[in-house]
Amino acid sequence: AQSVTQLGSHVSVSEGALVLLRCNYSSSVPPYLFWYVQYPNQGLQLLLKYTTGATLVKGINGFEAEFKKSETSFHLTKPSAHMSDAAEYFCAVSKGFGNEKLTFGTGTRLTIIP
Amino acid sequence: GAGVSQTPSNKVTEKGKYVELRCDPISGHTALYWYRQSLGQGPEFLIYFQGTGAADDSGLPNDRFFAVRPEGSVSTLKIQRTERGDSAVYLCASSPTSPDEQFFGPGTRLTVL
Repeated sequence: AQSVTQLGSHVSVSEGALVLLRCNYSSSVPPYLFWYVQYPNQGLQLLLKYTTGATLVKGINGFEAEFKKSETSFHLTKPSAHMSDAAEYFCAVSKGFGNEKLTFGTGTRLTIIP
Repeated sequence: GAGVSQTPSNKVTEKGKYVELRCDPISGHTALYWYRQSLGQGPEFLIYFQGTGAADDSGLPNDRFFAVRPEGSVSTLKIQRTERGDSAVYLCASSPTSPDEQFFGPGTRLTVL
């Protein structure tokens, strides 16, 4: 079975500060890993994904994440927070064999302090 | 292009009633997924279609829940004898034949009174 743990249900950072959202996973096979963002009253939007190859993945809106197999982690970072980054962020894992179901973490709500 | 659409956006019903939730995937996407998101939680997988057939329905909580995709495009999630615990946002996602990215719709918020 696969699982995802997101440490910190709420994270607050000042505008311009580093954003770090933590995600650890458990998977019996090499995983595919994803970060999704959910703005209020909107659907989930893919930020970035790791499938194979380079372990540092760059996504939209200046976000990036690094797959660390030894730590079973896939933390999301952004060097400088913007007010528009305030949203709910979800880490997810799939087996990656094909069109496989996603297993999501419980989410982290990011608040940006002006 | 058009994204995944879901109707209705909101549905309020009474305990014991039957409801249908509709999902229109992105044109050409062969895979379709249903998830359920309860308040304060991440989405939880319900069922996955590849074409017309349910490839994985392991997430359906009980036999009150059923989903169909008769022509390999639009899908309907059906809930019989609704219970207050069914209240949640029901999300639909579709994926092209190449794997690994799912595109989500805005969801249907179901409230069972």
